Amino acid sequence: GAGVSQSPRYKVAKRGQDVALRCDPISGHVSLFWYQQALGQGPEFLTYFQNEAQLDKSGLPSDRFFAERPEGSVSTLKIQRTQQEDSAVYLCASSLVVGLADEQFFGPGTRLTVL
Amino acid sequence: GNSVTQMEGPVTLSEEAFLTINCTYTATGYPSLFWYVQYPGEGLQLLLKATKADDKGSNKGFEATYRKETTSFHLEKGSVQVSDSAVYFCALRTRSGGSNYKLTFGKGTLLTVNP
Repeated sequence: GAGVSQSPRYKVAKRGQDVALRCDPISGHVSLFWYQQALGQGPEFLTYFQNEAQLDKSGLPSDRFFAERPEGSVSTLKIQRTQQEDSAVYLCASSLVVGLADEQFFGPGTRLTVL
Repeated sequence: GNSVTQMEGPVTLSEEAFLTINCTYTATGYPSLFWYVQYPGEGLQLLLKATKADDKGSNKGFEATYRKETTSFHLEKGSVQVSDSAVYFCALRTRSGGSNYKLTFGKGTLLTVNP
């Protein structure tokens, strides 16, 4: 596809359920990022992949959050035992390489609501 | 650490009015600065950027100048249109250290332009 796609666009979960959010980056993009955007806030960094290697997971808020990118393309962000504070928009971004001049292209996000 | 502070919204203007959205930053190291725009129902899009002091980024009639002495990157447009209605995010990325891929965002400013 032409851009970064994410699915589902909307997810409602009951507290305690596990969820999986998918990101399809732009074909050929090496770098992939996940951000969390709480209501009324700017996006905050969660984790970063270069190909299949997860090089930085310092932004993951707890060990209930897990991300993977096993073949260096599609990525999944998994949240176990969801809590109400996990409600947010989860954004995925990709870039061709890693570098200061390299633009991150964002997907439309998945809005997660935990009841 | 890095942080971005931008003007609280919402901002409501009439068509053809002059727009300024203030943005100031704190950064360890020498940052690159960005403005992103989020139209309703869409993902974040890069609007403009500047990578060194006194650089001016511009796109679609919007401009912002990297002011190192005041640590600012204010967004301006001389004559806004209804189609400019969106949320605008100021962001930075630092050049030094091992995490020069992380974007740090402000909270966003909602702009509504009325005909």
